[in-house]
Amino acid sequence: AQSVTQLDSQVPVFEEAPVELRCNYSSSVSVYLFWYVQYPNQGLQLLLKYLSGSTLVESINGFEAEFNKSQTSFHLRKPSVHISDTAEYFCAVSLNTGGFKTIFGAGTRLFVKA
Amino acid sequence: DTEVTQTPKHLVMGMTNKKSLKCEQHMGHRAMYWYKQKAKKPPELMFVYSYEKLSINESVPSRFSPECPNSSLLNLHLHALQPEDSALYLCASSPPDRGYGYTFGSGTRLTVV
Repeated sequence: AQSVTQLDSQVPVFEEAPVELRCNYSSSVSVYLFWYVQYPNQGLQLLLKYLSGSTLVESINGFEAEFNKSQTSFHLRKPSVHISDTAEYFCAVSLNTGGFKTIFGAGTRLFVKA
Repeated sequence: DTEVTQTPKHLVMGMTNKKSLKCEQHMGHRAMYWYKQKAKKPPELMFVYSYEKLSINESVPSRFSPECPNSSLLNLHLHALQPEDSALYLCASSPPDRGYGYTFGSGTRLTVV
């Protein structure tokens, strides 16, 4: 069975500071890895994903995540956050061998302070 | 069109009412999903339709009844709900390739009184 652990339920950070949101997963088979963001009163939006190839993936708004197979991690980072980055961030995995289930982590609330 | 549209955005219903949630996408995605999300929790999978056929039912109570009339539409029929069913109901779609990720709608905020 697959599982996803987001190690921090809340991460407060000052504007323009760097941030890392941690995600670890467990799976006996190969998986696809995703980060989704949810702004207040909205649905989830796909932020970035790792399928294969380069272990560093980037989004259009400055976030990046690095796949580390040995540590089974997929941490999300941004070198300088903005107030507008305040949101809930979900790490997720799905099997790349079949089925339609995606397992979501519990979420990390990023709160950017002025 | 790269959106998933959900209606209504808000719904208040009594425990004896019958109502329906609607979801529409025109991206040609052949997999569609219903998720339930409680406050400060991750989404929980309810149903998956693949090529208009019910593929996954996550042991959801029968008071929730999904329907997929065609490849663009997904409905969730509600009947005799309980107050604990109050939540944000999210629809999502994806191509059959699971590596693509989901496109989510903005959700319907349901309150059962």
